[in-house]
Amino acid sequence: GESVGLHLPTLSVQEGDNSIINCAYSNSASDYFIWYKQESGKGPQFIIDIRSNMDKRQGQRVTVLLNKTVKHLSLQIAATQPGDSAVYFCAENMGEYGNKLVFGAGTILRVKS
Amino acid sequence: DTGVSQDPRHKITKRGQNVTFRCDPISEHNRLYWYRQTLGQGPEFLTYFQNEAQLEKSRLLSDRFSAERPKGSFSTLEIQRTEQGDSAMYLCASSRTRVPYGYTFGSGTRLTVV
Repeated sequence: GESVGLHLPTLSVQEGDNSIINCAYSNSASDYFIWYKQESGKGPQFIIDIRSNMDKRQGQRVTVLLNKTVKHLSLQIAATQPGDSAVYFCAENMGEYGNKLVFGAGTILRVKS
Repeated sequence: DTGVSQDPRHKITKRGQNVTFRCDPISEHNRLYWYRQTLGQGPEFLTYFQNEAQLEKSRLLSDRFSAERPKGSFSTLEIQRTEQGDSAMYLCASSRTRVPYGYTFGSGTRLTVV
């Protein structure tokens, strides 16, 4: 079956340090991936996406790395801030042109001041 | 554009009652999706529309659930004869059909069935 999973349910980092959140996916045919941030009581907020024809994509303070050989995604957050504390999900496109996303269970990121 | 809007934000209903939620997508997006999220889990796909056509439904969408998007703009999700197991956050999202998809979620409707 197809699934997206996260290795670490909770990640605690010191303010100012870099954070790395990992995700494994099982469907080698998936061609599009998104990272979302979700704060309590709110909907998922888009952070960054990457297509399968890329290995790396950078945004503001965030970088997503895609390793298709081992079917692994990571989200790197530079200079982590207290406002980054949230649950982070990776999502995998399971349909043509992004018509259905499959989410993992999420990683809780806690930033210590 | 103010993003994807969902109404109401919270709904408490008695078991057996019917409820209806509304979603207004980003105006330039012609795809609209419904997801359900329970505590500690990621969102689960329920169904999606392209314009007014409902193109895919998950097996999670039982006969008590129905979604419509009559004019290809806003959408409604109705749950009939609610059960306690229906308690969850119901999320709506919208996107374009081509890159950049702009896949955007609303803030959700929190349903509690008592």
